[in-house]
Amino acid sequence: GQSLEQPSEVTAVEGAIVQINCTYQTSGFYGLSWYQQHDGGAPTFLSYNALDGLEETGRFSSFLSRSDSYGYLLLQELQMKDSASYFCAVKPTGGGNKLTFGTGTQLKVEL
Amino acid sequence: NAGVTQTPKFQVLKTGQSMTLQCAQDMNHNSMYWYRQDPGMGLRLIYYSASEGTTDKGEVPNGYNVSRLNKREFSLRLESAAPSQTSVYFCASSAGLADNEQFFGPGTRLTVL
Repeated sequence: GQSLEQPSEVTAVEGAIVQINCTYQTSGFYGLSWYQQHDGGAPTFLSYNALDGLEETGRFSSFLSRSDSYGYLLLQELQMKDSASYFCAVKPTGGGNKLTFGTGTQLKVEL
Repeated sequence: NAGVTQTPKFQVLKTGQSMTLQCAQDMNHNSMYWYRQDPGMGLRLIYYSASEGTTDKGEVPNGYNVSRLNKREFSLRLESAAPSQTSVYFCASSAGLADNEQFFGPGTRLTVL
């Protein structure tokens, strides 16, 4: 089976750097994805890590370590508009290419 | 491009009533999905369609049926609604099952009384 654990809530100050962790227990997966969802909105794709290491996309970076069963999303130069929920997700091997989502982390950016 | 569209945006049903949630995408994607999202939980896959003409069960299919009407449209039907089906329903699409990015619609907020 698959289980993805995330902190339920993280608070940070505008301009700061914040890391949202995702630890997982799964027998195998193709890669780790991250999605952002604003209150009342639809999830939107942020990043995908197929291999171990860091992927950078502007202010956002995502990291994967398969040996540690761990990944994270790093948000730099936080802005108020980054206040949202962030979900990690995996496609388990043998799972028919279906995404399994974590429970999500609500990020609150304060002045 | 409108992307993924869903109708209705809001719906209130009584227990036992039936309804169909509509979803359409204009990105020429092969794969489409239906998820539900409950407070404090991530998205859970209800059904998906890898390509036109095929549908498969996801994690929580009980109480639902789907139809892949054509490449653009994928509908979700509740035959006899129950309060446990109160949720936000999202439709999504991707170019193919192996594609890592899924595009989501705005959601349908369903309340079953």
